[in-house]
Amino acid sequence: DVKVTQSSRYLVKRTGEKVFLECVQDMDHENMFWYRQDPGLGLRLIYFSYDVKMKEKGDIPEGYSVSREKKERFSLILESASTNQTSMYLCASSPTPNYGYTFGSGTRLTVV
Amino acid sequence: KQEVTQIPAALSVPEGENLVLNCSFTDSAIYNLQWFRQDPGKGLTSLLLIQSSQREQTSGRLNASLDKSSGRSTLYIAASQPGDSATYLCAVSPIKAAGNKLTFGGGTRVLVKP
Repeated sequence: DVKVTQSSRYLVKRTGEKVFLECVQDMDHENMFWYRQDPGLGLRLIYFSYDVKMKEKGDIPEGYSVSREKKERFSLILESASTNQTSMYLCASSPTPNYGYTFGSGTRLTVV
Repeated sequence: KQEVTQIPAALSVPEGENLVLNCSFTDSAIYNLQWFRQDPGKGLTSLLLIQSSQREQTSGRLNASLDKSSGRSTLYIAASQPGDSATYLCAVSPIKAAGNKLTFGGGTRVLVKP
């Protein structure tokens, strides 16, 4: 089975800090995604990547950037964390459009 | 723009009753539809993936149907158990979306009472 691993389950950071959320998949998938999930707003796509060093903005990219230097790793970066970025962050990967997504277990980020 | 709707938003049933969860989508040009389960504070677990050419998929007590022409999918969970309590989300993979982006429904929160 494909495994998508998010490095932290819970994080608490201070306003203004630079935050890195890491995601690693072990099945050589082309596509990787970062979502955030908030009550009442559902899942919203932040960024996605369809190949190494390739990235595309999703629906809510403001305040975030991403890095994909190796195929298995997709990092989400909060350049200067703010309290409105407190959320559950979910990473996912997928090989092609014909196959489904596999999600990681999520990172609950709290910015104080 | 593809929109995915799940009604009702919440559902409560007694243990042993069959669960019927609905998902509707506006654009039939999809690669597939996927059902997920999410427990509180956790990530999403894939339950079933139905390709656009398929009518249904089954796994144990779970059965999902797909009617692409009417833009509907239904997830059936037979003989529900308290452990089935969770939020269930459906998502479609639109052909017109670049990079295999999924469009999610808002989810149905299910409570199975012992």
